Amino acid sequence: DIQLTQSPSFLSASVGDRVTITCRASQGISSYLAWYQQKPGKAPKLLIYAASTLQSGVPSRFSGSGSGTEFTLTISSLQPEDFATYYCQQLNSYPFTFGGGTKVEIK
Amino acid sequence: QVQLQESGPGLVKPSETLSLTCGVSGYSINSDYFWGWIRQPPGKGLEWLGNIYHSGSTYYNPSLKSRVTISVDTSKNQFSLKLTSVTAADTAVYYCARLSRPAAFDYWGQGTPVTVSS
Repeated sequence: DIQLTQSPSFLSASVGDRVTITCRASQGISSYLAWYQQKPGKAPKLLIYAASTLQSGVPSRFSGSGSGTEFTLTISSLQPEDFATYYCQQLNSYPFTFGGGTKVEIK
Repeated sequence: QVQLQESGPGLVKPSETLSLTCGVSGYSINSDYFWGWIRQPPGKGLEWLGNIYHSGSTYYNPSLKSRVTISVDTSKNQFSLKLTSVTAADTAVYYCARLSRPAAFDYWGQGTPVTVSS
């Protein structure tokens, strides 16, 4: 199975901050990576697919980059509604796997 | 607008079978796409369980050791999950979702909590 390691696992930031989350794959996955945002008690919401393509309706302050084994999710200016947990997921090969999550909290 | 809704018992006894259904509205399962199940134990991360295509082709997470079966009923526009021989470790919120192209789960159900307890 392909392991995904997210860092950091916890992040404390202020409104307006630029935030970067990293996801590393144990082997190359081309660009078959998605990012999701999850708020407490809610289903995950797709933010980015194919490593860097913004899902329709997602604010442009979210961006994704990377290919192969290293990927990043960047929030250019953190907004109050962005405080949540973020997960990466590889869809290059079965079984699909998720990273352990990064919880973004208010400083 | 595509909508998915999970349904099924919220409490299952150990060693019994967990059965959930995902009803889809706003899109015909028969048209295209894979459809999947994902779960999340309390306070933990996400685990992919398996996918099914409208033709019946399936892919499962081998970590579940053949306990999982996903089926589709195109006449009812729904797909189902069965997980046998459940234990407390199967207690989780279970989500159904659509696997889009390029690959990503773009539409999700709200999730249904399932507790395994006697």
